[in-house]
Amino acid sequence: EAQVTQNPRYLITVTGKKLTVTCSQNMNHEYMSWYRQDPGLGLRQIYYSMNVEVTDKGDVPEGYKVSRKEKRNFPLILESPSPNQTSLYFCASSFWEGPYEQYFGPGTRLTVT
Amino acid sequence: GNSVTQMEGPVTLSEEAFLTINCTYTATGYPSLFWYVQYPGEGLQLLLKATKADDKGSNKGFEATYRKETTSFHLEKGSVQVSDSAVYFCALLSGSARQLTFGSGTQLTVLP
Repeated sequence: EAQVTQNPRYLITVTGKKLTVTCSQNMNHEYMSWYRQDPGLGLRQIYYSMNVEVTDKGDVPEGYKVSRKEKRNFPLILESPSPNQTSLYFCASSFWEGPYEQYFGPGTRLTVT
Repeated sequence: GNSVTQMEGPVTLSEEAFLTINCTYTATGYPSLFWYVQYPGEGLQLLLKATKADDKGSNKGFEATYRKETTSFHLEKGSVQVSDSAVYFCALLSGSARQLTFGSGTQLTVLP
């Protein structure tokens, strides 16, 4: 089954404790992206990757890091989480050359206390 | 920059009522337009899309037409069902970064 998976689905952590949210897709997509969803703001892009070893900032990259060492994986790293990073996070992927519709993972709900 | 404006929610309808959710956009160039749906506790699913002016996207009884002259992509359905209750997001894709710009979402509740 074609899918985007994320782990963990739920995470409660404390300020400053480094964490990683994993994302994996099995559709051989070149493009992968991370979004955060906050009430009243829709989804905003954090980082994206056009292919292995190629990443770039989205609209809200502060406080986040990413890496793309393999085509299927695109982890999101919070090196020193803060309460304003409490949010619902989605990973998405698509083909680079089209069709451009992005497939979304199930989401990771992160709470930073 | 790019932006998407959706009608404010929540929207509550009775089963079999007609649905319209308004969406307008601002973008440079010729973006592709999408409607995504998010059911409770799930990720976003693509509902329909349109890639050029006057295209009509349709799926599961939902329709939206890409109107360049009014920069709009309104979502419509002739007869909603309880199972259509969800949050609906309008989005555009533009630029070499393939970035999706989303509206703030519209919560739809359909009552039996």
